[in-house]
Amino acid sequence: AQSVTQPDIHITVSEGASLELRCNYSYGATPYLFWYVQSPGQGLQLLLKYFSGDTLVQGIKGFEAEFKRSQSSFNLRKPSVHWSDAAEYFCAVGESTGKLIFGQGTTLQVKP
Amino acid sequence: NAGVTQTPKFQVLKTGQSMTLQCAQDMNHEYMSWYRQDPGMGLRLIHYSVGAGITDQGEVPNGYNVSRSTTEDFPLRLLSAAPSQTSVYFCASGRAGTEAFFGQGTRLTVV
Repeated sequence: AQSVTQPDIHITVSEGASLELRCNYSYGATPYLFWYVQSPGQGLQLLLKYFSGDTLVQGIKGFEAEFKRSQSSFNLRKPSVHWSDAAEYFCAVGESTGKLIFGQGTTLQVKP
Repeated sequence: NAGVTQTPKFQVLKTGQSMTLQCAQDMNHEYMSWYRQDPGMGLRLIHYSVGAGITDQGEVPNGYNVSRSTTEDFPLRLLSAAPSQTSVYFCASGRAGTEAFFGQGTRLTVV
């Protein structure tokens, strides 16, 4: 069965430091992969997506993610974190029908 | 440019009451879905639809009904509310093989 694992439930980084959020997936075919961000009390906003092609994808707000088929991973990175990046981040795998399967989420706290 | 609209934003129900959460999209998306979000559990799929007249169960369908009579609307019905259904509910729409667009959520409390 398809599944998504985000191993880190909570991460704290200092403002200006680099960030990497981990995501591992289990899916039988070539996956569609997504990262979404959710600020407190808000809906989900798409950060970036991977469908095919270049395995390093750029998203909004300075985020990028790299698809590694051999590791079944799609980790999210940002070189320098801003206080406004504090939020909950969700990795998801999408089926061709449009159905999305989400990981449990990683809460990012940013220290001043 | 409305996107995905959910109503109501907040709701308090008594145990045993029924209600319908509304979801409408204006992007002509064939795919629509309902998720519930609970702390530490991410978003879990309740029901989804790949087009008008077609619905299917997700991971946690018990206690919920859906129907899809039009492309635009995908209401979620709670038949007899239970405290375990206290959650934040999100509706999403999209096209096959693309990202999903989410509504702002409905925060439901069952007392």
